[in-house]
Amino acid sequence: QKEVEQNSGPLSVPEGAIASLNCTYSDRGSQSFFWYRQYSGKSPELIMSIYSNGDKEDGRFTAQLNKASQYVSLLIRDSQPSDSATYLCAASTSGTYKYIFGTGTRLKVLA
Amino acid sequence: DARVTQTPRHKVTEMGQEVTMRCQPILGHNTVFWYRQTMMQGLELLAYFRNRAPLDDSGMPKDRFSAEMPDATLATLKIQPSEPRDSAVYFCASASLSLEQYFGPGTRLTVT
Repeated sequence: QKEVEQNSGPLSVPEGAIASLNCTYSDRGSQSFFWYRQYSGKSPELIMSIYSNGDKEDGRFTAQLNKASQYVSLLIRDSQPSDSATYLCAASTSGTYKYIFGTGTRLKVLA
Repeated sequence: DARVTQTPRHKVTEMGQEVTMRCQPILGHNTVFWYRQTMMQGLELLAYFRNRAPLDDSGMPKDRFSAEMPDATLATLKIQPSEPRDSAVYFCASASLSLEQYFGPGTRLTVT
């Protein structure tokens, strides 16, 4: 059974701090990884995709990928209360076009 | 701007009734996914299409659910007959060659 695992949280961080969200995956054939943000009552919104080992930065967000350890992370710098949401990690499955989603980590940024 | 659209946004129906949900993918996207999200199960893939052909519907209860893509601009998910356990939010997502999936706003289904 191919899986993507995330700590459900809540992860609470003070405003202005760095929030670190982590994800592990079981399918060694996965090549593409995605982070989605989902506000309560809304649909998932793509915020980052990463395909190669290392870091990828986009504004306050940095995605990190380590394929050897089967580990993906998302760092949010200068966290804002508006970042409070559930963050979903997804991994592509080898040989298909579909993703496996984790169950999400709930982030709370405290003002 | 390009978005996935879904109708209806909300649907309340009685057990046993037929429910049809519609999705218009982003123009030019050739892969369409149907997901269901509940508090207990999270986000579950029900089915997906590539170039209008169904590639995987293993997540879908076959006896009551059906998914079709009659043309490149319309995907449908039908439940007949509906049951209370089908109450959930149903999302459609579309993707191009990049595999990045973009989600629609969802249909919130309540079956009483």
